[in-house]
Amino acid sequence: GNSVTQMEGPVTLSEEAFLTINCTYTATGYPSLFWYVQYPGEGLQLLLKATKADDKGSNKGFEATYRKETTSFHLEKGSVQVSDSAVYFCALSEPEGGAQKLVFGQGTRLTINP
Amino acid sequence: NAGVTQTPKFRILKIGQSMTLQCTQDMNHNYMYWYRQDPGMGLKLIYYSVGAGITDKGEVPNGYNVSRSTTEDFPLRLELAAPSQTSVYFCASSRDRDTEAFFGQGTRLTVV
Repeated sequence: GNSVTQMEGPVTLSEEAFLTINCTYTATGYPSLFWYVQYPGEGLQLLLKATKADDKGSNKGFEATYRKETTSFHLEKGSVQVSDSAVYFCALSEPEGGAQKLVFGQGTRLTINP
Repeated sequence: NAGVTQTPKFRILKIGQSMTLQCTQDMNHNYMYWYRQDPGMGLKLIYYSVGAGITDKGEVPNGYNVSRSTTEDFPLRLELAAPSQTSVYFCASSRDRDTEAFFGQGTRLTVV
């Protein structure tokens, strides 16, 4: 079946550092790809998404490009802030009966120090 | 904006006990989902519903039951709790099949 693999955490950076969180996937067909973020004490929130090859999703300074040739969807941000500390999940969508289910990576915990 | 609300946030159960995890959404979404997240793992789909009165099994349904009598509510029932059900449970909803899923804050369940 389809699967998602994220770089292992935790990741600790200093404020204003460059961030990359790697995500690769295995899928039949061309699923939509997502990054979700979970801030402390909150539920998962959609951060960005891309629905086809070479699409770039972006939000709040974060970007990720759907790379079909490398089956990757790496998350990047040029200058992180303390408020970016959270757990980040890469996911893809696949059909499940009459719905679309999300297949998640294991999550990467990011801590930004001032 | 309440969004997706789950209760309780934390619970400790003894082996063999039963409980219901509550999930309600106020966005009039048709699709609702239950996922579980084990330590160091991604979320796995337990059950889902495409509308009131309709439910179906996901990837890991054993040991769980659901019902969807209203659009708003999608409770998850554990009948005979087992240590393997120790996990964090997330409820989610979406307006339709291909739109963004909104998640609740999660319920951390420990079975001892």
